[in-house]
Amino acid sequence: RKEVEQDPGPFNVPEGATVAFNCTYSNSASQSFFWYRQDCRKEPKLLMSVYSSGNEDGRFTAQLNRASQYISLLIRDSKLSDSATYLCVVNMGNTGFQKLVFGTGTRLLVSP
Amino acid sequence: EAGVAQSPRYKIIEKRQSVAFWCNPISGHATLYWYQQILGQGPKLLIQFQNNGVVDDSQLPKDRFSAERLKGVDSTLKIQPAKLEDSAVYLCASSLRGWQANEQYFGPGTRLTVT
Repeated sequence: RKEVEQDPGPFNVPEGATVAFNCTYSNSASQSFFWYRQDCRKEPKLLMSVYSSGNEDGRFTAQLNRASQYISLLIRDSKLSDSATYLCVVNMGNTGFQKLVFGTGTRLLVSP
Repeated sequence: EAGVAQSPRYKIIEKRQSVAFWCNPISGHATLYWYQQILGQGPKLLIQFQNNGVVDDSQLPKDRFSAERLKGVDSTLKIQPAKLEDSAVYLCASSLRGWQANEQYFGPGTRLTVT
């Protein structure tokens, strides 16, 4: 089983649509979780952290279910500029230092 | 604030040759990471430095890969000899302290093609 699993997609959606990505992780002791965004041929950039209580940043909502070891990202009112790969990232460090483990990414294509 | 700098941006070599990549982290960042990203996959951590000490190199293929951060600032990653399966983007990242909550900032990467 992969440490972090995501559906690679692509997800093809029209502008204005709502889309959700899911991710599962294997290490129940993991403490922190993130979504990174990676544009084509660019470096990954932090989109948002994921907290147990869930968190929202504009059109983006992230949620964590520790019991099911499941993370989600919801994008409302999709824009053309949201087209990118979304990487689910789990910190599996156990010494106080970060050790980020990345999923393969889910590709999103938003069309006019 | 300047970001993470990497060079070269692109490199093409033949198998069995050697290659080196350079990274300069964001000023003041104590922690530096090297990742390998193969096409269609997420980045995989190769090695992590805290200042000039190695924190984690468990996924570094030590028979052919080496890395150093001698003065606790910039770093080099070397592959010798290269194999076809080393074709990937090599990403350098840095964070302020490397603790659990610190954000990692990535450089633009070096795209390596081994023929």
